[in-house]
Amino acid sequence: QKEVEQNSGPLSVPEGAIASLNCTYSDQGSQSFFWYRQYSGKSPELIMFIYSNGDKEDGRFTAQLNKASQYVSLLIRDSQPSDSATYLCAARDGNKLVFGAGTILRVKS
Amino acid sequence: DGGITQSPKYLFRKEGQNVTLSCEQNLNHDAMYWYRQDPGQGLRLIYYSQIVNDFQKGDIAEGYSVSREKKESFPLTVTSAQKNPTAFYLCASSNPAGGLGGELFFGEGSRLTVL
Repeated sequence: QKEVEQNSGPLSVPEGAIASLNCTYSDQGSQSFFWYRQYSGKSPELIMFIYSNGDKEDGRFTAQLNKASQYVSLLIRDSQPSDSATYLCAARDGNKLVFGAGTILRVKS
Repeated sequence: DGGITQSPKYLFRKEGQNVTLSCEQNLNHDAMYWYRQDPGQGLRLIYYSQIVNDFQKGDIAEGYSVSREKKESFPLTVTSAQKNPTAFYLCASSNPAGGLGGELFFGEGSRLTVL
């Protein structure tokens, strides 16, 4: 069973700080990785995906991938209270995505 | 507007009843998926379909059934054989791109409660 592991949190950060969310995956063959944000009671929304080693930046968000360590992370700069949500990490397994359980982020104003 | 429409948004079921959740997409995506989410847990794959008239079981298919008669539609039936059906059900679609990208787009979800 291919697995994606995330710390459930909650991760609490003050407004304006950098939030760092981490994810590890079991399948060395996974090529693509996705970060979704999910507000309580709502469906997940894609933040970004990454498939090359290194960093990928999109606005306040930076995804980092280290395939040798089987590790993916998401950095959120200048965190805002509106960033408070559950963040889901997913890895591609053939034609489907395998999701982690998510990390709860709380940004305190 | 393009998107995925799930209905109903909320559904209550008595024990022993079958219920069908609707999922329609107008994104012209080939692949469609059903996931289940329980409190504090991630998304678990129930069924997925890459093409019309074909579908595959996911990790937790027992007690569920699907059909894919049209590209736009992928309904999920929760049967009486599903022992713990109370959950948040999410339908998604994607256009896989050679194993890279191919992100999922989600509907708004259907919340099923067994009375």
